[in-house]
Amino acid sequence: GAGVSQSPRYKVAKRGQDVALRCDPISGHVSLFWYQQALGQGPEFLTYFQNEAQLDKSGLPSDRFFAERPEGSVSTLKIQRTQQEDSAVYLCASSSSPGGIYEQYFGPGTRLTVT
Amino acid sequence: RKEVEQDPGPFNVPEGATVAFNCTYSNSASQSFFWYRQDCRKEPKLLMSVYSSGNEDGRFTAQLNRASQYISLLIRDSKLSDSATYLCVVNNNAGNMLTFGGGTRLMVKP
Repeated sequence: GAGVSQSPRYKVAKRGQDVALRCDPISGHVSLFWYQQALGQGPEFLTYFQNEAQLDKSGLPSDRFFAERPEGSVSTLKIQRTQQEDSAVYLCASSSSPGGIYEQYFGPGTRLTVT
Repeated sequence: RKEVEQDPGPFNVPEGATVAFNCTYSNSASQSFFWYRQDCRKEPKLLMSVYSSGNEDGRFTAQLNRASQYISLLIRDSKLSDSATYLCVVNNNAGNMLTFGGGTRLMVKP
C-alpha cells in the first residue's frame, strides 16, 4: 500500500524566502508528526497533530515555523523568512495510534537548503 | 544533557561479528522504547520495539533496564546489509512525540 509521501523532495531557497513543505500521511492515520533532522543528528520533534487538531507544537524553533492539517489528512509545514540554520531534512511521520505511541511511519523527507 | 544519548560510532566490524549498541535515557517516566534503523539519505524505519522482558527478532536482541534507564541492541552474525545508523527512540506516553538519540553508525566490512 501507499506509504507517507512528501513533496518536494528537495528545495533550495534563498535566505528570506518563504517555503511550504507538504506531507501526505498513510490514509486513515490519525496522528501526524513533523521532525527536523540536521546532518549527522537524530530527528528532532517539531509538532504533532491528532486529526486536524495541533496538540503539541513545543518543538517549533521559532514563530517563523507554522504547520497546519486543516482536514485531518494532508499537512503543510511552512517556514517564513528562511534562515541558513533552517537547512535540514524535514521528516513527516504518521501513525494509526493517538499520540503515535506505537510505530510511526516516516516519509522520505524534504531536504531544504537555504543559501 | 540530551534526553537520549548514544555513542555515535562508527562501529566498524567484520561480517559475522557480534556487535552491541547501548543507549541511555533521562526521563524516568518514559514508557515505550524502540530501535529504528536509518540508511544513508533515507527515512528512519522501525527495527524493533523494546519490551521490559527483552525481546529477540532473528539476529537482533533488544534489552531494557528501567532501573538504569538503559537500552541495548545486540546484532549477531553481522551482514553487510546491516550497515546503517541505528537510532534509539523513547516515547513518554504522557507526551506526543518520539525522542531520538543521535544514532550509532554501523559499518560491516567484508
